[in-house]
Amino acid sequence: DIQMTQSPSTLSASVGDRVTITCRASQSISSWLAWYQQKPGKAPKVLIYKASSLESGVPSRFSGSGSGTEFTLTISSLQPEDFATYYCQQYSSYWTFGQGTKVEIK
Amino acid sequence: EVQLVESGGGLIQPGGSLRLSCAASGFTVSSSYMSWVRQAPGKGLEWVSVLYSGNSVYTADSVKGRFTISRDSSKNTLYLQMNSLRAEDTAVYYCARFRGSGITDFENWGQGTLVTVSS
Repeated sequence: DIQMTQSPSTLSASVGDRVTITCRASQSISSWLAWYQQKPGKAPKVLIYKASSLESGVPSRFSGSGSGTEFTLTISSLQPEDFATYYCQQYSSYWTFGQGTKVEIK
Repeated sequence: EVQLVESGGGLIQPGGSLRLSCAASGFTVSSSYMSWVRQAPGKGLEWVSVLYSGNSVYTADSVKGRFTISRDSSKNTLYLQMNSLRAEDTAVYYCARFRGSGITDFENWGQGTLVTVSS
């Protein structure tokens, strides 16, 4: 099974900060990776798919990069509505999510 | 507009059975790749079962032999039959649709239905 490890688990940041979340796969997954945002009591929402493709309607301050085993989600300028938990997910072999990164207000 | 609406969750005793439903609109369930994903309270996301348009089924080891995914084309609805429920099955269960017709990310999600397994 492919394991996905996110870091950090919690991130404290201020509005306007540049934020980077890392996701590592236990083996190569090419670019078969998605990023989701989840707010309390809500379903996850896809932000990025195929490692770097921006979902329609998602603000351009979100970007994804990486391939193989190391990936990053970057928020170029954190907005109040971006405080949430973020998950990476691989779909190279079955489907595995990372444990999540909670972005908190500093 | 794509919509997924789950129902059927509730409180059930250990060893009991429950069937979850996911009513879809805006697309055809039988032509889509569909999945159930769950999230235990305060925990991360875990895929449970997947049903391809060609009828292939994949089920996570944690629920294999106990949970069964299916669909009813006439009702455009996805189901998850859950038997021999355990406390560790307590979670919000989401219905999700894959992007396009391949093995991709989960493009659309329902709002979720809570299943609580407790005596």
